[in-house]
Amino acid sequence: EDKVVQSPLSLVVHEGDTVTLNCSYEVTNFRSLLWYKQEKKAPTFLFMLTSSGIEKKSGRLSSILDKKELFSILNITATQTGDSAIYLCAGGSNYKLTFGKGTLLTVNP
Amino acid sequence: GAGVSQSPSNKVTEKGKDVELRCDPISGHTALYWYRQRLGQGLEFLIYFQGNSAPDKSGLPSDRFSAERTGESVSTLTIQRTQQEDSAVYLCASSFPLAGANNEQFFGPGTRLTVL
Repeated sequence: EDKVVQSPLSLVVHEGDTVTLNCSYEVTNFRSLLWYKQEKKAPTFLFMLTSSGIEKKSGRLSSILDKKELFSILNITATQTGDSAIYLCAGGSNYKLTFGKGTLLTVNP
Repeated sequence: GAGVSQSPSNKVTEKGKDVELRCDPISGHTALYWYRQRLGQGLEFLIYFQGNSAPDKSGLPSDRFSAERTGESVSTLTIQRTQQEDSAVYLCASSFPLAGANNEQFFGPGTRLTVL
């Protein structure tokens, strides 16, 4: 059975801190690793990673995939209160995404 | 439409009643997915449609749950004889047909179901 494990499950930081969120996966027919941000209901897409070692960056957020170790990290630098959300990691196979339980990030002013 | 839409946004029902949840995917997206998210949990896959057929229903938790899709567009998730453990947010997502490793799914705002 496919499995995605995220850590930590929750994290509280102060504005300006840098955070690293972790995601490990065991997905049959693995194709891609996706990160989503969920603030209220609908998860919004952040990154999709398919190749090892190539960092994807969007503003203060960046992510990288290690296909040998079956691992991905999401980094957020200079955190802001608006970054408070649940960050979901998902392993993609032929058509299916298997989600982890998410990391609840709280950024305090 | 511009995005995935779902209705109703909230549904409160009594135990034992049937409910129908609706999803309108992004126009042109032939793949459609239903997920369930219980409080404090990740997304639990329920069913996948490609066009109007459902090649993977493996996530439906019991025979009280069913889903259909018509016109390669709207989908309805039906829960019969609802139980309190069915209370959750039900999320729908759609995507283009698979092209290599492109699995990006676009999510709707969800339906929050509360079974009293």
